[in-house]
Amino acid sequence: KNEVEQSPQNLTAQEGEFITINCSYSVGISALHWLQQHPGGGIVSLFMLSSGKKKHGRLIATINIQEKHSSLHITASHPRDSAVYICAVGDFGNEKLTFGTGTRLTIIP
Amino acid sequence: NAGVTQTPKFQVLKTGQSMTLQCAQDMNHEYMSWYRQDPGMGLRLIHYSVGAGITDQGEVPNGYNVSRSTTEDFPLRLLSAAPSQTSVYFCASRGYRSLNTEAFFGQGTRLTVV
Repeated sequence: KNEVEQSPQNLTAQEGEFITINCSYSVGISALHWLQQHPGGGIVSLFMLSSGKKKHGRLIATINIQEKHSSLHITASHPRDSAVYICAVGDFGNEKLTFGTGTRLTIIP
Repeated sequence: NAGVTQTPKFQVLKTGQSMTLQCAQDMNHEYMSWYRQDPGMGLRLIHYSVGAGITDQGEVPNGYNVSRSTTEDFPLRLLSAAPSQTSVYFCASRGYRSLNTEAFFGQGTRLTVV
């Protein structure tokens, strides 16, 4: 079973700061997902990647397959970015996802 | 374009009662799944389906039943609710033919069993 570790568990930063959230996994994967969950809200997919780097607006996701590690970066952070960010990986050969426990991000104005 | 629709949003049950959580998607996705989210833990897979008529157990299937009679619908049934089933439940769907497909989630159901 793939193990997914996220760090940090909690992160508080000032508006405008550059944010990095990390995700490590233990075995080979077919793809890695970054998800966002606002308090009391649903879960939204931010990125799905299997190699390299993707960018949407102020969000950047990178993955290093050899090191089994991914990072989610937020540039010019804003209070509306406050949410729980969840990393999930899909194993080869099936569609099941294994989830990390999430990183709770709070951006202070 | 509704995506994944999950109902109800909130539910309180008494121990021993049964209920069905509804999940529907309009994206013609083959793969649908149910997760529960508990404090301090990652989402855990309850049951999943790779197409109509096909279901399988996930990590924590005990106390839950599913069926998949159509591509669109994937209801989750609690047979006899227990306080340990107090949780937030999410339904999700993905395309299946291609491995690398984005996951879409419902808004969640917050279930309390008293």
